[in-house]
Amino acid sequence: DTEVTQTPKHLVMGMTNKKSLKCEQHMGHRAMYWYKQKAKKPPELMFVYSYEKLSINESVPSRFSPECPNSSLLNLHLHALQPEDSALYLCASSQSNWANGEQFFGPGTRLTVL
Amino acid sequence: GENVEQHPSTLSVQEGDSAVIKCTYSDSASNYFPWYKQELGKRPQLIIDIRSNVGEKKDQRIAVTLNKTAKHFSLHITETQPEDSAVYFCAARPGGTSYGKLTFGQGTILTVHP
Repeated sequence: DTEVTQTPKHLVMGMTNKKSLKCEQHMGHRAMYWYKQKAKKPPELMFVYSYEKLSINESVPSRFSPECPNSSLLNLHLHALQPEDSALYLCASSQSNWANGEQFFGPGTRLTVL
Repeated sequence: GENVEQHPSTLSVQEGDSAVIKCTYSDSASNYFPWYKQELGKRPQLIIDIRSNVGEKKDQRIAVTLNKTAKHFSLHITETQPEDSAVYFCAARPGGTSYGKLTFGQGTILTVHP
């Protein structure tokens, strides 16, 4: 299995809702990433997990809460989001975060905050 | 932190022509430079990458060159085809403690006209 999968594909939520995005990979990768991508812009790194531990947090607001329950799964918990948080949320994985190698991206979750 | 500049922002070519996209980076310790292709509504996919100990790499119609002294790298696509139309992102991976962190350029929208 050489894919990163993400669920759901689309998510619409109100500003008071709590929701979660899920990401899964079965390539044995030990680094996993969350990116945010606005239309016609590059992916913007949010979090990096290495061996299930958070190693980089790019000063992301606390309304985004990442979780890595095991080496195959990565979650992003969302609470009290703002309309400007509407974007494509991409998960990625790589063999490790210190070896130079390909980051494999998932298809993304398109999030709309009303 | 690392800063990556990418030019041009849009590029329009005729089928069969060559296309060149250029990126510059600021951190001389950066040591890994991937190029991603993102088709509309799809995930970014790695098309080629180069490490700092190599000056050039080629894969069929795609080549990347790296000039460490000048801190720039370029993507060359020869014999372009309509299916090459997409957004292309360059990226750089800084050294030091920012393991796993890719900094992306702003993207180039490539349109190949049949």
